[in-house]
Amino acid sequence: NAGVMQNPRHLVRRRGQEARLRCSPMKGHSHVYWYRQLPEEGLKFMVYLQKENIIDESGMPKERFSAEFPKEGPSILRIQQVVRGDSAAYFCASSPAEFGTVIDYEQYFGPGTRLTVT
Amino acid sequence: SQQGEEDPQALSIQEGENATMNCSYKTSINNLQWYRQNSGRGLVHLILIRSNEREKHSGRLRVTLDTSKKSSSLLITASRAADTASYFCALSGGSYIPTFGRGTSLIVHP
Repeated sequence: NAGVMQNPRHLVRRRGQEARLRCSPMKGHSHVYWYRQLPEEGLKFMVYLQKENIIDESGMPKERFSAEFPKEGPSILRIQQVVRGDSAAYFCASSPAEFGTVIDYEQYFGPGTRLTVT
Repeated sequence: SQQGEEDPQALSIQEGENATMNCSYKTSINNLQWYRQNSGRGLVHLILIRSNEREKHSGRLRVTLDTSKKSSSLLITASRAADTASYFCALSGGSYIPTFGRGTSLIVHP
């Protein structure tokens, strides 16, 4: 059973370009979470999605950031018009828990995408 | 949502010694999890402890939870160089989304 997969592992973008980060959850998991980690910091929650549904996007910046988890295919975190401050490691996690039914569960993390904005 | 605060921020020990890291928080929680992150890698789940539990073990790891003091500790016994990593606590309270602290950076010297 493959773990959570993220690609690309490293992404370099110039200011103003778009960044697309992909996350394939573990087989059988339909819950995906995106986190951002700045150097020497902990992970900051961004968004929680289920298939075709955004459940909680309270950690997402209001502009330029969007996320989706289509019925088929990976979850995508899109950052439009990137700025230097977007440089960070972006981690995706998945879990098998159903929303509202289980509150203690383990999240399985991917290896992350390191975004550098030049 | 609240964030746990790990202490110390950094810890440097010799192989074979025990390492203890603490996590303190402010409001009530449903559970607390400990994760490890090796440099440049994703997080690996270590242990989940529920609010009604006081202690859990997994191999060389021992986690305690004191809800009256709102703190948890992670003990790694007989540490190895391979234990060198950052360790994070993640809290789940009213929101089901775990929130992470800044972590403790552990260096184990061979």
